[in-house]
Amino acid sequence: QQQVKQSPQSLIVQKGGIPIINCAYENTAFDYFPWYQQFPGKGPALLIAIRPDVSEKKEGRFTISFNKSAKQFSLHIMDSQPGDSATYFCAATGLADSWGKLQFGAGTQVVVTP
Amino acid sequence: NAGVTQTPKFQVLKTGQSMTLQCAQDMNHEYMSWYRQDPGMGLRLIHYSVGAGITDQGEVPNGYNVSRSTTEDFPLRLLSAAPSQTSVYFCASSSGPNSPLHFGNGTRLTVT
Repeated sequence: QQQVKQSPQSLIVQKGGIPIINCAYENTAFDYFPWYQQFPGKGPALLIAIRPDVSEKKEGRFTISFNKSAKQFSLHIMDSQPGDSATYFCAATGLADSWGKLQFGAGTQVVVTP
Repeated sequence: NAGVTQTPKFQVLKTGQSMTLQCAQDMNHEYMSWYRQDPGMGLRLIHYSVGAGITDQGEVPNGYNVSRSTTEDFPLRLLSAAPSQTSVYFCASSSGPNSPLHFGNGTRLTVT
């Protein structure tokens, strides 16, 4: 069973819109939450990551929000552009067991229309 | 800088055949891993290695074998291919705990 649940499966937004992807987890030992971006025919690439000691982290137009009590985190893509069209994966792992043994969500295909 | 290189890019096998997916990295990373990607399932860890001579099982290891004789290379062997192993396989490497995973561009495998 998937330890990280991701939704929605896909979404379409217009240029300038804010796609929001949500993830939830159960394992309280998780304490590192990265997001990966994948373009067709390519491997995933790290986009942004957060630790549970902060509630929000921004890198450019990408923002992670983290709710430790609800065990949920989300990715917002501000002022989205057609070049942001990709599949996004949330992931989680525990520092004590963190040699890349990430648990991935199922992925969200984002399409940004011109 | 090549990063993580996977070969081949595409492969078609018949049920029962064996093959080796190659993975090489030139970043001197200690950690290497293999994931499979299936629609609606995300990426699932097959096997991983924290250094030459050290390997361990991930979430879905059955039907796969690995070895790590050098820091650079981490091949994945399919012992007797089954249709359930039709997937896209990604190799990844990392310099250490909580360092970003660097992925290769994948091998798309079809087993008929």
